[in-house]
Amino acid sequence: DGGITQSPKYLFRKEGQNVTLSCEQNLNHDAMYWYRQDPGQGLRLIYYSQIVNDFQKGDIAEGYSVSREKKESFPLTVTSAQKNPTAFYLCASSTFGGVEYFGPGTRLTVT
Amino acid sequence: AQTVTQSQPEMSVQEAETVTLSCTYDTSESDYYLFWYKQPPSRQMILVIRQEAYKQQNATENRFSVNFQKAAKSFSLKISDSQLGDAAMYFCAYRSAFVSSGSEKLVFGKGMKLTVNP
Repeated sequence: DGGITQSPKYLFRKEGQNVTLSCEQNLNHDAMYWYRQDPGQGLRLIYYSQIVNDFQKGDIAEGYSVSREKKESFPLTVTSAQKNPTAFYLCASSTFGGVEYFGPGTRLTVT
Repeated sequence: AQTVTQSQPEMSVQEAETVTLSCTYDTSESDYYLFWYKQPPSRQMILVIRQEAYKQQNATENRFSVNFQKAAKSFSLKISDSQLGDAAMYFCAYRSAFVSSGSEKLVFGKGMKLTVNP
């Protein structure tokens, strides 16, 4: 089964804790992306990576960190510095210059 | 910077009817890609259709077609024979075709909620 997996589907954390969201793809895509979606908003880009061991900040990178140690994996850490972490997080991947395909998303709730 | 605007936050259509979703964008680039994505209640983002700016022919995909007006920077989506399963949020998105740092990023509109009435 080819595709993008995100786990878990729902995640609950206490304020002040760091949390890592998983994103894995077996499509052999070079580029991977993390987006945040809030109610009534479009998707906003957090970080993206075009190649292993390299990544760039998107429009709202503050309070987040990523790594890209393997082509298949692009985990996102939501740190305690992120002021409003409760949101829906979407991971995507694409070939270089190709269409972006999305994972099913993770709903993070921080209380 | 490029921007994408979806001015209608909500629309409704009767089953089997046709509906058109509007999208405008702003860019100074001559070559780019435009997309419509659908997000049903499951929240999975699904690609509906893609248009390449250098192609004058409007893209079609079964019941979905676009009206791409490059000079007007308009990219509307027409859904024919609407079905209950078409009910979803629809997002218009832009991506530059130029290979440079940041050109691979999608720029999204805020989305539009489509309701299909039986």
